[in-house]
Amino acid sequence: TQLLEQSPQFLSIQEGENLTVYCNSSSVFSSLQWYRQEPGEGPVLLVTVVTGGEVKKLKRLTFQFGDARKDSSLHITAAQPGDTGLYLCAGRPSTYKYIFGTGTRLKVLA
Amino acid sequence: DTGVSQDPRHKITKRGQNVTFRCDPISEHNRLYWYRQTLGQGPEFLTYFQNEAQLEKSRLLSDRFSAERPKGSFSTLEIQRTEQGDSAMYLCASSLTGANTGELFFGEGSRLTVL
Repeated sequence: TQLLEQSPQFLSIQEGENLTVYCNSSSVFSSLQWYRQEPGEGPVLLVTVVTGGEVKKLKRLTFQFGDARKDSSLHITAAQPGDTGLYLCAGRPSTYKYIFGTGTRLKVLA
Repeated sequence: DTGVSQDPRHKITKRGQNVTFRCDPISEHNRLYWYRQTLGQGPEFLTYFQNEAQLEKSRLLSDRFSAERPKGSFSTLEIQRTEQGDSAMYLCASSLTGANTGELFFGEGSRLTVL
């Protein structure tokens, strides 16, 4: 069974603070994605990383794919209340299959 | 609206009843997925279609679950003899083979409550 463990599971921080979410697996993935999900909605794609060691930036969000393509991190700088949501990593062990992580629920307090 | 649509959004049923959910993917998308999600957790893979062919079904899916995608368009997920443990959000997603990002486009989900 391919598992993607995310940490922390829950995170409550003040507006303006920085945070990092981790996504770890013992399996190698051809690519890894990060999604954000808000209550009552489906997940929405934030980024796809493909190459080991790749770093991508999306405004205040920085995503990194591990060198061995088994893990990833999401760093948010100066978090805002609008960043609140459930963050999900998703690994692709094959061209069509997506395995989602356990999720990190972030709450940013104003 | 040209996104993924799911129906119904909410379903409350009594244990032992059958329920069916429908998913209409984005029209040109040939891949369709069903996931199950419980509160605060990540989506759990149930099954995958490429066009009308069901190419993979999770071992977590009991014989009470069946999914179809006739003609490679919309899909249905049926749960027979529902149990309280089936209570969850059922998410449908679609994607296009060969798309650069491999993005999954999700519907808003169908929430099932089994009493």
